[in-house]
Amino acid sequence: DVKVTQSSRYLVKRTGEKVFLECVQDMDHENMFWYRQDPGLGLRLIYFSYDVKMKEKGDIPEGYSVSREKKERFSLILESASTNQTSMYLCASSSDSDSNQPQHFGDGTRLSIL
Amino acid sequence: AQTVTQSQPEMSVQEAETVTLSCTYDTSESDYYLFWYKQPPSRQMILVIRQEAYKQQNATENRFSVNFQKAAKSFSLKISDSQLGDAAMYFCAYFGYQFYFGTGTSLTVIP
Repeated sequence: DVKVTQSSRYLVKRTGEKVFLECVQDMDHENMFWYRQDPGLGLRLIYFSYDVKMKEKGDIPEGYSVSREKKERFSLILESASTNQTSMYLCASSSDSDSNQPQHFGDGTRLSIL
Repeated sequence: AQTVTQSQPEMSVQEAETVTLSCTYDTSESDYYLFWYKQPPSRQMILVIRQEAYKQQNATENRFSVNFQKAAKSFSLKISDSQLGDAAMYFCAYFGYQFYFGTGTSLTVIP
């Protein structure tokens, strides 16, 4: 089974801090994604990556950056955390070998910015 | 941009009964894929069923089936013989170049 692991289930940080959310997948997937999930808004794509050192902006990239130095790891960075970034963050990965491959999700990180 | 609309924020169903969750989408593409995902409370999001747009036959996975109407851009999920473990948030998703998700439908199963 595909395993997508997010480093923390719960995280509490202060306004202005630089926050790192880590995601690792063990299936050699080419594609990795970061979403935030908010009630009534569903999942919104922040950034995605189709290859190592490659990144593309999703629908809501403002206030975030990403890093993909290795194929299995995709990090989401909040440069200067703000209270409106309090949310559930979901990482996902998918294979490039078949274009209809579904995304495999991690357990999510519930981030609170105080 | 593509959009995915789930017009039912909450639904409930009696155990063993059938329920249908609605999803519509907007796209100008002819080749794409549609998915239903399930997210149980505090648990991982998992794939329920997928549909390729070029296939006319509706996908089926055990008690889960879809009604795919390409011309109407509609993709509803039918859950038959509902079980308590079906209680979850259900998300409809579209994939063309990238994934787009709906806002979700919270399904309650009443014993």
